[in-house]
Amino acid sequence: KQEVTQIPAALSVPEGENLVLNCSFTDSAIYNLQWFRQDPGKGLTSLLLIQSSQREQTSGRLNASLDKSSGRSTLYIAASQPGDSATYLCAVEDGTASKLTFGTGTRLQVTL
Amino acid sequence: NAGVTQTPKFQVLKTGQSMTLQCAQDMNHEYMSWYRQDPGMGLRLIHYSVGAGITDQGEVPNGYNVSRSTTEDFPLRLLSAAPSQTSVYFCASSTHAGTGPAKQYFGAGTRLSVL
Repeated sequence: KQEVTQIPAALSVPEGENLVLNCSFTDSAIYNLQWFRQDPGKGLTSLLLIQSSQREQTSGRLNASLDKSSGRSTLYIAASQPGDSATYLCAVEDGTASKLTFGTGTRLQVTL
Repeated sequence: NAGVTQTPKFQVLKTGQSMTLQCAQDMNHEYMSWYRQDPGMGLRLIHYSVGAGITDQGEVPNGYNVSRSTTEDFPLRLLSAAPSQTSVYFCASSTHAGTGPAKQYFGAGTRLSVL
């Protein structure tokens, strides 16, 4: 059974810092990996999707990497802003019917 | 473009009551799924559908039923609510995996309390 772990569970950084969120998964036979953002009381918004054949994806200040062989992904956020404060979720898809296995998330707070 | 719409946003039930959580998407997505989110446990898959008339169980299906009579709608039914079903429920949709990797779109969620 696939298990996804995210470390740290919570993180507080001052505005402007670069930061890295970590995600690990136990079964390397994944179809893709997605990073989501969740604001309090809201749904999930897809940030980046990395196919199993890719090493990284970039969108603005966000960069996600994937090392399938070691079962790890990182989300790099450059020049953090207070508006980046949210919970970030990592999820892997096994390629059948778009079923996702989620990590428990990292709650990020960016302070002024 | 509304995306994925869930109703209601909040609901309080008494133990033993039944109800249906509604989910509709307007993106003509073939894949739809239901997840529940509980503190410290992440999101877990309840049921999913790969197209109209086709549904299957996810990780935690007990106590829930689904049907998919149309591409747009995927309701989740609680047959006899229990306090353990207190959770936040999310509906998601995406295009067919066979067309290539597709982002998942999530609704805003339904917060359910069972007393």
